[in-house]
Amino acid sequence: NAGVTQTPKFQVLKTGQSMTLQCAQDMNHNSMYWYRQDPGMGLRLIYYSASEGTTDKGEVPNGYNVSRLNKREFSLRLESAAPSQTSVYFCASRLTSDTQYFGPGTRLTVL
Amino acid sequence: LAKTTQPISMDSYEGQEVNITCSHNNIATNDYITWYQQFPSQGPRFIIQGYKTKVTNEVASLFIPADRKSSTLSLPRVSLSDTAVYYCLVVQTGANNLFFGTGTRLTVIP
Repeated sequence: NAGVTQTPKFQVLKTGQSMTLQCAQDMNHNSMYWYRQDPGMGLRLIYYSASEGTTDKGEVPNGYNVSRLNKREFSLRLESAAPSQTSVYFCASRLTSDTQYFGPGTRLTVL
Repeated sequence: LAKTTQPISMDSYEGQEVNITCSHNNIATNDYITWYQQFPSQGPRFIIQGYKTKVTNEVASLFIPADRKSSTLSLPRVSLSDTAVYYCLVVQTGANNLFFGTGTRLTVIP
């Protein structure tokens, strides 16, 4: 049972480049989440997916898109990266009104 | 969503009991309180959750007074490995979105 996995672990982009962050969970959870955490700050919710086929905006959705590919996978896409998107990105999943399980994070730097 | 307020940082010596209080004045009837712990370079990890009175598990205790406008996370006899950021969340029953604040940075001193 790997829990929540994220790829890549580290990424450096130039301004304007695009990339997709991948997240997968093997716990058969319904809900999945993407957060960003800036240095010394708390987590901020970008997007979430309550179930397969649905997605909703969180606090800071601008500049991002998401895809809930199936029950296991939830990807986050940056179409045109900006330096303000330099952050650590965490994916999480949850079964119902219960604990959220977090992945190890992706450290993204945009130059 | 009820806003939470907690101290930005706390220091404690090893072996002491640490209490971190979270204020949530606008908590609604269907809301419950959840605490997470985050070590550097890791994702947050669930610690404890409760609705009212007292909840205890192998890691911590959670005290919630009758008015539920605050809650206190209690860590017994902390060690250096308890140095982390602790987040208090108020979660609406059935809600799908969770909001983390800035948390409390606990530093345990030898």
